[in-house]
Parts: sequence; structure tokens; C-alpha cells
Amino acid sequence: GAGVSQSPSNKVTEKGKDVELRCDPISGHTALYWYRQSLGQGLEFLIYFQGNSAPDKSGLPSDRFSAERTGGSVSTLTIQRTQQEDSAVYLCASSLGTGPDTQYFGPGTRLTVL
Amino acid sequence: RKEVEQDPGPFNVPEGATVAFNCTYSNSASQSFFWYRQDCRKEPKLLMSVYSSGNEDGRFTAQLNRASQYISLLIRDSKLSDSATYLCVVNLNTGGFKTIFGAGTRLFVKA
Repeated sequence: GAGVSQSPSNKVTEKGKDVELRCDPISGHTALYWYRQSLGQGLEFLIYFQGNSAPDKSGLPSDRFSAERTGGSVSTLTIQRTQQEDSAVYLCASSLGTGPDTQYFGPGTRLTVL
Repeated sequence: RKEVEQDPGPFNVPEGATVAFNCTYSNSASQSFFWYRQDCRKEPKLLMSVYSSGNEDGRFTAQLNRASQYISLLIRDSKLSDSATYLCVVNLNTGGFKTIFGAGTRLFVKA
């Protein structure tokens, strides 16, 4: 079946602009996660959704970052007034959501802020 | 102290070698454990879960030591295609589930 998909695959933007990143999880997966990975670094947790609710937003680095999920499916991560330090690969993962289960990752969106 | 710590490496080994990675975790609420593999400029993919009794999948063996709070991954008969970054992953149950990824251990297998 179809895996996790993300769009766009690459995004180049100018400092100060807003960007929206999209994630389509695997059908039937109720849990959805956003991570950020800078070049050569590990994964940084951003936010976790269970259904449409976000019980854990602890990883969002600033109030410029927000995310929503609608219909228990697609999620959008929005970064307002982008800064150069926001440049990274943004990875989305989904899981069944029945417990500490396996996460399946999308290919990521590579964001470059000039 | 990081919640999940790994030796970043890199580990440079010849084909056919056996190599082992360790990962330590600090939170005793840690409930489940995984090893993921991440190729350069690709997304992480599940390599194997780690069970208390230890488990094996072909050339790969994973072990868990709850008392000492570490997990290990052993790769036997290394192949060139094993070159990647190996991520240790811990799920916590602290009222809600939380997943923590280690920063990864880089492995280079050379001919």
C-alpha cells in the first residue's frame, strides 16, 4: 500500500516568508509525528498528533511554528517568518497509534531559507 | 545528559567484519525499543525491534539490558550495503507515548 507522502520534496524560500509543509500519513494510522533533521544531526521531535489532537507540542522550537491535522489524516506544518536556522529536512511519520508502535517515515521536505 | 545516547562513530570496518553498536537510555519509563537505519539523505527506516529476550534477524542481532539501560546491535559479516547511520529509538510511556531518537552511529563498510 501507499506509504507516508510529503510535499513539497524541496522548498527554497526567502527569510521572513511563511511556508507550509504537508504530510499524508498511511491510511488508518491515527498517530502522526513531525521531526526536524539538520544536516549531519539527529532527529529533533517537533509535535505529535493522536487523531486531530496534539497531546505533545513540546518540541515546537518557537511560536513561529504551528501544526494542524484535519479529518484524522493530512497534517500541515506551518513556519511563519522563516529564519535561516529553520533550514533543515522536515520529516513526517505515522503509526497505528495503538501504543508504542513502529513509526513509518515519509521522504521528508528539504527546506532552505535564503 | 541526553535521554538516548549513541557513539556517533564513524565506525570504519572491512567487509566481512563483525561490528557492534551500543545505545544507552536514561529514562526508566522506557517501554519499547527499536533500531532504525538511515541512508544518506533518506528517511529513517525500521531495521528491527528490540525484545527483552534478544532477537535476531539474519546477520543482525539486537539485545536489551533493562538493568543497565542499554540496547545493542550486532552486525555480522558486514556488507558494503550496510553502510548507513543506525538510530537507536526509545518509546517512553509517561502518561502518553513519547518517542526519542538517538543521534545515530555512522557505519562505513569498505571493500
